[in-house]
Amino acid sequence: EAGVAQSPRYKIIEKRQSVAFWCNPISGHATLYWYQQILGQGPKLLIQFQNNGVVDDSQLPKDRFSAERLKGVDSTLKIQPAKLEDSAVYLCASSYPGSEQYFGPGTRLTVT
Amino acid sequence: GIQVEQSPPDLILQEGANSTLRCNFSDSVNNLQWFHQNPWGQLINLFYIPSGTKQNGRLSATTVATERYSLLYISSSQTTDSGVYFCAVPMNYGGSQGNLIFGKGTKLSVKP
Repeated sequence: EAGVAQSPRYKIIEKRQSVAFWCNPISGHATLYWYQQILGQGPKLLIQFQNNGVVDDSQLPKDRFSAERLKGVDSTLKIQPAKLEDSAVYLCASSYPGSEQYFGPGTRLTVT
Repeated sequence: GIQVEQSPPDLILQEGANSTLRCNFSDSVNNLQWFHQNPWGQLINLFYIPSGTKQNGRLSATTVATERYSLLYISSSQTTDSGVYFCAVPMNYGGSQGNLIFGKGTKLSVKP
């Protein structure tokens, strides 16, 4: 069974530029999560989807971050404009509702 | 919200030694996950363990839900065990499960 796929793996951008990350969850997983992991810390939730509906986006900086999951499968996370403090690893995870979560390899973003 | 604390924060072992990592959580939980984050940043699922004991090769985990802690045991450590170990518990939304709340992790270094 294929795992959670993410792309790109690495991205370097200048501040005020925009960037987008893509995630393809494990087949059949209705729940999809985006987490942000800053160096030296544990991952923290940005947004949670159930199918194509948002369950929790309370920690998403909505002035610059947006995310969508239009057909209830793939998801895209966008940052526009990026700030220096957005440098982090962005992790996508998926699960059956209320069950074990599986993580993708992550996208390492550097904002200069 | 629920708090997750891990100890020790750092651990250095000689290859072949055994170790115990601890995870305390501040509220009752429906389940708990242990992860190993390898040097490339990938979060690897180790255990999904709401209560009781599970074993997988040289690793085992025990969760005592009534006392709000979990332990991860690593026996006969190898250099490939190096990395950061995270425990995580889910947020609860009126009985349904939400995102994972992570501890700060235990950084393990195994020396040859």
